[in-house]
Amino acid sequence: AQKVTQAQTEISVVEKEDVTLDCVYETRDTTYYLFWYKQPPSGELVFLIRRNSFDEQNEISGRYSWNFQKSTSSFNFTITASQVVDSAVYFCALPDNYGQNFVFGPGTRLSVLP
Amino acid sequence: GAVVSQHPSWVICKSGTSVKIECRSLDFQATTMFWYRQFPKQSLMLMATSNEGSKATYEQGVEKDKFLINHASLTLSTLTVTSAHPEDSSFYICSARDRAGALYEQYFGPGTRLTVT
Repeated sequence: AQKVTQAQTEISVVEKEDVTLDCVYETRDTTYYLFWYKQPPSGELVFLIRRNSFDEQNEISGRYSWNFQKSTSSFNFTITASQVVDSAVYFCALPDNYGQNFVFGPGTRLSVLP
Repeated sequence: GAVVSQHPSWVICKSGTSVKIECRSLDFQATTMFWYRQFPKQSLMLMATSNEGSKATYEQGVEKDKFLINHASLTLSTLTVTSAHPEDSSFYICSARDRAGALYEQYFGPGTRLTVT
């Protein structure tokens, strides 16, 4: 069965600091997809990235970057020069074997202080 | 594109009453919709999967007689919480899969916050 672990429950940083959110996953599938979502206080999930297990290249999108390490089953997310608006709960997710149910990690609550 | 709406965005109801939550795919057809529940400071947990025109599949521990799901069309699924109790207070999120899209692609609605008094 799929499993996603986010060991950091809560993180607090001061604005402009860099912060990395960890995600470790378990799957028996040889090909799979990994996702990151942001959930601001409003509650609506905001899609951030989808990564195919075939592609281990790191990805950068503005202040966001992702490090995918298949060998350690990790898909970590880094925010560079954090801003107060980055304060939210961040979820790492992995669809199940049939691409149906999303298995979400427990989430990491990030607080960026001014 | 790929917008999913939920109505209402929040609702307060009295214990013992029923409440219906709608989930609509606005610009695509969804053969499959999913209902998640999220308690405060917790992650999303799948409650049930509904396929258009057939009975929903409930996850273990979810009472199907309490959480009635109807997916009568390719753009609408409803979740009815029957005889609601305070412990049903939660944030309910639906997602939909585009019938023309990939299996892993789900689009999430904005959520419905239910408070049972």
